[in-house]
Amino acid sequence: AQSVTQLDSQVPVFEEAPVELRCNYSSSVSVYLFWYVQYPNQGLQLLLKYLSGSTLVESINGFEAEFNKSQTSFHLRKPSVHISDTAEYFCAVSDQRTGKLIFGQGTTLQVKP
Amino acid sequence: DAMVIQNPRYQVTQFGKPVTLSCSQTLNHNVMYWYQQKSSQAPKLLFHYYDKDFNNEADTPDNFQSRRPNTSFCFLDIRSPGLGDAAMYLCATSRDQLDGQFFGPGTRLTVL
Repeated sequence: AQSVTQLDSQVPVFEEAPVELRCNYSSSVSVYLFWYVQYPNQGLQLLLKYLSGSTLVESINGFEAEFNKSQTSFHLRKPSVHISDTAEYFCAVSDQRTGKLIFGQGTTLQVKP
Repeated sequence: DAMVIQNPRYQVTQFGKPVTLSCSQTLNHNVMYWYQQKSSQAPKLLFHYYDKDFNNEADTPDNFQSRRPNTSFCFLDIRSPGLGDAAMYLCATSRDQLDGQFFGPGTRLTVL
């Protein structure tokens, strides 16, 4: 069985500051890793994913995440956040055999002016 | 643009009155999923279809049913909604079980 732990339920940060949202996972099998973002009253949007290859993956809006197999982590980072980044962020793992997503509890990123 | 569409966006029903939520997709994806998301919680998978093959999660209540009449459409039927079923219901699709999932905007269900 897989599980995902997002270590911070809320992360307040000032605009233009760097941010890291932490994600650790547990799995006895190989997994794929994802970050999704959810704005209020909307569905989830895929932010970035790690399937294989380079352990550093990037999104088009400046976020990046690094897969660390030894630490079973997939932390999300952005060097300079904007007010518009305020949202709920979910880390998820996907069992390579079944493809089912297991989500973490989410981290609320609150960007303050 | 290819997308996942959910109708309605907001649904109000009465306790015990059956309700159907709709999802359609123009992505031509093989897999469709239904999730329940309660306030400040992670989405919880209810069931999914791989083509016509239905896969129910072990802890999904019998009150929840689903239909997929064709590749494009999938429905979530709640036979007798209770107050505890008030939530956001999210539909998602993927090309296959190993691909990332694309989510619709969700239907927020209120039970009076």
